[in-house]
Amino acid sequence: EAGVVQSPRYKIIEKKQPVAFWCNPISGHNTLYWYRQNLGQGPELLIRYENEEAVDDSQLPKDRFSAERLKGVDSTLKIQPAELGDSAVYLCASSPWGGPSIYSGNTIYFGEGSWLTVV
Amino acid sequence: QKEVEQNSGPLSVPEGAIASLNCTYSDRVSQSFFWYRQYSGKSPELIMSIYSNGDKEDGRFTAQLNKASQYVSLLIRDSQPSDSATYLCAAPERTGTASKLTFGTGTRLQVTL
Repeated sequence: EAGVVQSPRYKIIEKKQPVAFWCNPISGHNTLYWYRQNLGQGPELLIRYENEEAVDDSQLPKDRFSAERLKGVDSTLKIQPAELGDSAVYLCASSPWGGPSIYSGNTIYFGEGSWLTVV
Repeated sequence: QKEVEQNSGPLSVPEGAIASLNCTYSDRVSQSFFWYRQYSGKSPELIMSIYSNGDKEDGRFTAQLNKASQYVSLLIRDSQPSDSATYLCAAPERTGTASKLTFGTGTRLQVTL
């Protein structure tokens, strides 16, 4: 079974330029997450989708970040314009319906991440 | 207090020793926990989970949960250089119909020869 696929793996852009990241979750996983991980920190949730609906986007900086999950499968995360502080790893993850739970045995599965450097 | 807190380390232990990684949490999170391991430059991968008070063992790993004191720990016995990584403690927070994981900052473990 294929895991969570992300692209590009690495991206270097100048500040004020746009950038987009793409994610293909594990087949059958209804829930999709975008996390951002800064160096030396744990992942922080940006947005969570249940199918095509964004159900938790309270941490998404909406002035410059946008995301979509068309048809409830693939997702894209866009930053426009990028700032120096956006340099981080953008992790996409997915889980079965209901999300992580000890009781159901579900957890979330991460992709390899998209490493962004803004110069 | 943050929802999930960890000492960032690094924690340095000699090969063969027991590594003890700790995590404290606030009342706002679900009292069940996941431990993830993250090698440098890689994505987090699940090691084990725990929701009952006490110990849960899986090979060289033991998770311990103390709900009264609001801490959870991960013990790694017979530490190997290949265990050198960042260990992330995470707790589910239920919002709506599903949960998300809230992560601590992670503790970097270095196992020395």
